[in-house]
Amino acid sequence: EPEVTQTPSHQVTQMGQEVILRCVPISNHLYFYWYRQILGQKVEFLVSFYNNEISEKSEIFDDQFSVERPDGSNFTLKIRSTKLEDSAMYFCASTPMTVQETQYFGPGTRLLVL
Amino acid sequence: KNEVEQSPQNLTAQEGEFITINCSYSVGISALHWLQQHPGGGIVSLFMLSSGKKKHGRLIATINIQEKHSSLHITASHPRDSAVYICAVLYNTDKLIFGTGTRLQVFP
Repeated sequence: EPEVTQTPSHQVTQMGQEVILRCVPISNHLYFYWYRQILGQKVEFLVSFYNNEISEKSEIFDDQFSVERPDGSNFTLKIRSTKLEDSAMYFCASTPMTVQETQYFGPGTRLLVL
Repeated sequence: KNEVEQSPQNLTAQEGEFITINCSYSVGISALHWLQQHPGGGIVSLFMLSSGKKKHGRLIATINIQEKHSSLHITASHPRDSAVYICAVLYNTDKLIFGTGTRLQVFP
């Protein structure tokens, strides 16, 4: 069964460094999402992406964050200058056609900022 | 403010028991999701509802649009059902709003 993949599974970085989290959504899906979950807290929406542009973003998704679909398969989340509070699990998800469909989640990338 | 409330926060059950997890939301929604988060952190979608009732195996999800309330039921619970169950809603945007989750532990 097709699945969403994410790399790396874990990343440790120093505060102020740039990180890029990678996702490969299911191949025929058109809508992509990034979420984050700080340890012990609820999952939070970061951004949705459709037709090569941001469809919606949350207040968390400030200028430090960017998303890109550099080729036909990858979907990346870049954090320009990481802060301690960016430490979290980051999930990528995709849906086939619209936002009102079952979301398929990747396994997550655990980011630790020291 | 658009919030999602779940109850209970924690639930323990004996194997075989019938489980109900509740979710309420504040205003009209376009869709509601029930998700399962495993101890390792992975998230799996169980149901997406905009009205009525859906069933998959031992899981049943219902939604009452007028009451702004949804329930997830697990029949004949099993230790492998132990996980965090999350309700999440779409308020006519792309932005999925998540509840805090219900931690379920089923003991043999």
